[in-house]
Amino acid sequence: AQSVSQHNHHVILSEAASLELGCNYSYGGTVNLFWYVQYPGQHLQLLLKYFSGDPLVKGIKGFEAEFIKSKFSFNLRKPSVQWSDTAEYFCAVSDYTGTASKLTFGTGTRLQVTL
Amino acid sequence: EAQVTQNPRYLITVTGKKLTVTCSQNMNHEYMSWYRQDPGLGLRQIYYSMNVEVTDKGDVPEGYKVSRKEKRNFPLILESPSPNQTSLYFCATRAGGPDTQYFGPGTRLTVL
Repeated sequence: AQSVSQHNHHVILSEAASLELGCNYSYGGTVNLFWYVQYPGQHLQLLLKYFSGDPLVKGIKGFEAEFIKSKFSFNLRKPSVQWSDTAEYFCAVSDYTGTASKLTFGTGTRLQVTL
Repeated sequence: EAQVTQNPRYLITVTGKKLTVTCSQNMNHEYMSWYRQDPGLGLRQIYYSMNVEVTDKGDVPEGYKVSRKEKRNFPLILESPSPNQTSLYFCATRAGGPDTQYFGPGTRLTVL
């Protein structure tokens, strides 16, 4: 079974600091990769996604992620975080199994940005 | 406006009392799914549906039922809720590409 690892469970940064959240997955075949964000009390929103092509993907709100196939990684980055980026971030991976695709989530990283 | 709606948003109930959480989408999407979110465990898929009358188990289906009688609705049924089903539940539909899923606002369920 596929698994997704997010090694940082809780990250605390000051405003303007740079951010990198790690994500590693176990599946060796073709995958689609996602980062979702969940602001306090809200539902998940898609930040960015990778299906194919350029491994450096840009998303909303200044976030980007780089797919490194050899490392099975899809790390999320932002050069300068803002207080409003305080949220929980989930990496997710999907693969096709027969006719269905299955989305597997990591356990999430809670980001706290201080002023 | 594209929407995934869930009702109720908050529910406190007692062990064994049957309940249904509704999910409705207005985007005519074929694929719908239910997840539960628990601290330290992320989101885990309960059931999914590829189309009307087509449903299948996800990773944690025990204690849940679903039905898909029409495309827009995908209710989650707990026949006999237990305290370990206390969780935050999200419905999702798939759109905008092969795997982009859009989530509803969530239902916070407490089973006493």
